[in-house]
Amino acid sequence: GAVVSQHPSWVICKSGTSVKIECRSLDFQATTMFWYRQFPKQSLMLMATSNEGSKATYEQGVEKDKFLINHASLTLSTLTVTSAHPEDSSFYICSASIPVPGSLAERETQYFGPGTRLLVL
Amino acid sequence: AQKITQTQPGMFVQEKEAVTLDCTYDTSDPSYGLFWYKQPSSGEMIFLIYQGSYDQQNATEGRYSLNFQKARKSANLVISASQLGDSAMYFCAMREYQFYFGTGTSLTVIP
Repeated sequence: GAVVSQHPSWVICKSGTSVKIECRSLDFQATTMFWYRQFPKQSLMLMATSNEGSKATYEQGVEKDKFLINHASLTLSTLTVTSAHPEDSSFYICSASIPVPGSLAERETQYFGPGTRLLVL
Repeated sequence: AQKITQTQPGMFVQEKEAVTLDCTYDTSDPSYGLFWYKQPSSGEMIFLIYQGSYDQQNATEGRYSLNFQKARKSANLVISASQLGDSAMYFCAMREYQFYFGTGTSLTVIP
């Protein structure tokens, strides 16, 4: 079954409003979560790494003031798209790894949430 | 340079036949992980199979197998006995610390 949930799955909003997307790890604690966006027929683009208890690490070209990330607890990370515009319309996906004690990070499989489709009118 | 390269934007396969989806990667890190994900039209990314850089044997998960050729830096996905439900986008990914994704291959299974 799903190990990562995302809410909402769909959101339509007016230009200029802010939209919050939640990403939750189910039945496990995720100290690190990742946020991606995906345009139609394209690959996933990493936006930022969300770290519990500290500031998110943003990828080059991603505006941190526009895409606010808050990793409030070990099971919840939120992405807020502030003052959304039509060009922000996209598919946003979060992911988290189930930590395996003693394992290397590269061996940890990332499990993805079902994604959130954002349409800004 | 691209970390992950998938050279097949689209593939067709007859139902019940096997199909190979190509993936090459670029890294100088001796320790890394290779993954394949399936993304149906619903958008959810579904984990299929994992191969560690130090793993001696090719990974297999049911109808999925990963043809890992370390010297060639390739990690092709083989789907045996294709089913109509296999029609989807398939992404190859590599993890050093963060994940790097390929551009994907759209697989269509023909009845």
